[in-house]
Amino acid sequence: GAVVSQHPSRVICKSGTSVKIECRSLDFQATTMFWYRQFPKQSLMLMATSNEGSKATYEQGVEKDKFLINHASLTLSTLTVTSAHPEDSSFYICSATRGRWTGELFFGEGSRLTVL
Amino acid sequence: KNEVEQSPQNLTAQEGEFITINCSYSVGISALHWLQQHPGGGIVSLFMLSSGKKKHGRLIATINIQEKHSSLHITASHPRDSAVYICAVRSANFGNEKLTFGTGTRLTIIP
Repeated sequence: GAVVSQHPSRVICKSGTSVKIECRSLDFQATTMFWYRQFPKQSLMLMATSNEGSKATYEQGVEKDKFLINHASLTLSTLTVTSAHPEDSSFYICSATRGRWTGELFFGEGSRLTVL
Repeated sequence: KNEVEQSPQNLTAQEGEFITINCSYSVGISALHWLQQHPGGGIVSLFMLSSGKKKHGRLIATINIQEKHSSLHITASHPRDSAVYICAVRSANFGNEKLTFGTGTRLTIIP
């Protein structure tokens, strides 16, 4: 079964609304989770590193106020796309590493956002 | 030049053929991952390598740290192997868990 669960898998919203995507580690504690964005037929683009109990670290060019990340617990990180616009339509996916030393890597199932 | 280069970008083969996908990187790494992404978008980590060779079923992954090169092989390929295969490397800097991704190889296996 899934070790990292992401929800929702698909969401359609109107322009100007906000959308929250959840990423949960199901059987381990993840002090760090990563959020990626993927455009069609392109590779993953790291948006931010989500750190439990502290502010997220955003990559250059990613708007902090646009993409709000909260890592309130060791098993849950959320990405909120605020005031969504059609250009925010994309595939968003999270990942977490189980065990700093083993480095086992798990991805969520991804969330496809369509902004009308 | 990208830090992680994959080849080929696209590969179409007949069922049963032996498949090789290559990954070259230019930075120091602590680990290299081979990922599989199916059309639905979900990503699965196939292998994590820091040296040598690993095998899982019909999949084999090798890495040469000196040459900064890794290969993913699929034996007796099957249409269900059709997916995008992505090479990703983790920085050698301690505490830096960020990954750098290759652009992916789109594999299509024809029955």
